[in-house]
Amino acid sequence: GENVEQHPSTLSVQEGDSAVIKCTYSDSASNYFPWYKQELGKRPQLIIDIRSNVGEKKDQRIAVTLNKTAKHFSLHITETQPEDSAVYFCAASIPGYSTLTFGKGTMLLVS
Amino acid sequence: DGGITQSPKYLFRKEGQNVTLSCEQNLNHDAMYWYRQDPGQGLRLIYYSQIVNDFQKGDIAEGYSVSREKKESFPLTVTSAQKNPTAFYLCASSTRQGAIPQPQHFGDGTRLSIL
Repeated sequence: GENVEQHPSTLSVQEGDSAVIKCTYSDSASNYFPWYKQELGKRPQLIIDIRSNVGEKKDQRIAVTLNKTAKHFSLHITETQPEDSAVYFCAASIPGYSTLTFGKGTMLLVS
Repeated sequence: DGGITQSPKYLFRKEGQNVTLSCEQNLNHDAMYWYRQDPGQGLRLIYYSQIVNDFQKGDIAEGYSVSREKKESFPLTVTSAQKNPTAFYLCASSTRQGAIPQPQHFGDGTRLSIL
């Protein structure tokens, strides 16, 4: 099955800096890659997603890039703010399956 | 107000006891999922259902059971066979569009602890 590795596990940045979280996936057939943000004790919330026919997608301060050849995708957050502090999860899905395989998460701390 | 409702928010289980976690959605989604979240482990899939009266095991189904008798409801039973049930349980749902994966939307979770 699919395996998703996520790095780093913890990321500390100063307010206003950029943050980058990277994920790699194992199954080259995967074609859907969402990112979720989870604040402490709350539900994961979808913040951005990308499909394999697109190399980059942007939504205000958040962007996701996908490199299908290398089988990795990254979340970029610019001009970080204290409210960006949370755990971020990447995930991947294979066509024909509705399930997601999640990475283990990155705790982002903005101070 | 559309969404996914999980209840209870907190649940305590005694040794040898089965407990059932409720998940209800009014989004008219066909697919529903149960995940277990442990610190540092991410979200691991327990069971999922793509249509009423059908469900499949996920990666960690042992010690759990589900039913899908109605489109809106996907309850999860944590049986006494699950020896380490303490975790945060999340229910999710999504639409179905053939073979194209769709975004999943989550409930607020149930935190289960052993007494």
